[in-house]
Amino acid sequence: SQTIHQWPATLVQPVGSPLSLECTVEGTSNPNLYWYRQAAGRGLQLLFYSVGIGQISSEVPQNLSASRPQDRQFILSSKKLLLSDSGFYLCAWRRQGERQPQHFGDGTRLSIL
Amino acid sequence: AQKITQTQPGMFVQEKEAVTLDCTYDTSDQSYGLFWYKQPSSGEMIFLIYQGSYDEQNATEGRYSLNFQKARKSANLVISASQLGDSAMYFCAMRTLMDTGRRALTFGSGTRLQVQP
Repeated sequence: SQTIHQWPATLVQPVGSPLSLECTVEGTSNPNLYWYRQAAGRGLQLLFYSVGIGQISSEVPQNLSASRPQDRQFILSSKKLLLSDSGFYLCAWRRQGERQPQHFGDGTRLSIL
Repeated sequence: AQKITQTQPGMFVQEKEAVTLDCTYDTSDQSYGLFWYKQPSSGEMIFLIYQGSYDEQNATEGRYSLNFQKARKSANLVISASQLGDSAMYFCAMRTLMDTGRRALTFGSGTRLQVQP
């Protein structure tokens, strides 16, 4: 069976500090991978998605970047965090195929002080 | 541009009754998919049900069914026999062509469902 791991679960960082959130998927190969951000009480905003190693598409301009160094590893980064980067970050994976749903990790709650 | 609208920020339902959560969408794509997800207070997103734009029958998954009305561009989620554990945020999402030329999900703003004993 497939599993998705996302860590850390919570993170408190000062403004201006760097960020690295990691997501790994097990039990499947060549998944599509996604990073979302969810503001409090709001829907999900797609930040990045990847269809393969080294292939990253960004949906919105921002202070964040993403990388996919291995097939089942997706990393969300920032060199200098802003207050507006606070939120709930969710990683998701999906098999190829029109009807395939996205499966989400447990999320990381990021607070910027 | 693609858009998903959930007009009910909050809903209440009595345990064991049915409830309908509304979702309307806007897209110029002929081929698209509609998904519903549940998000409990713990935060994880749980996939519930899928409807393809060319599916002739409404999707059903256990107590979940999707009332798909293509001409009205609506894809309402029906939960039958509500249980206390159904209390959560519910998100409607549409998989369609993004500006980047790739297909990805656009989410609605969600509906908070509270099931009362």
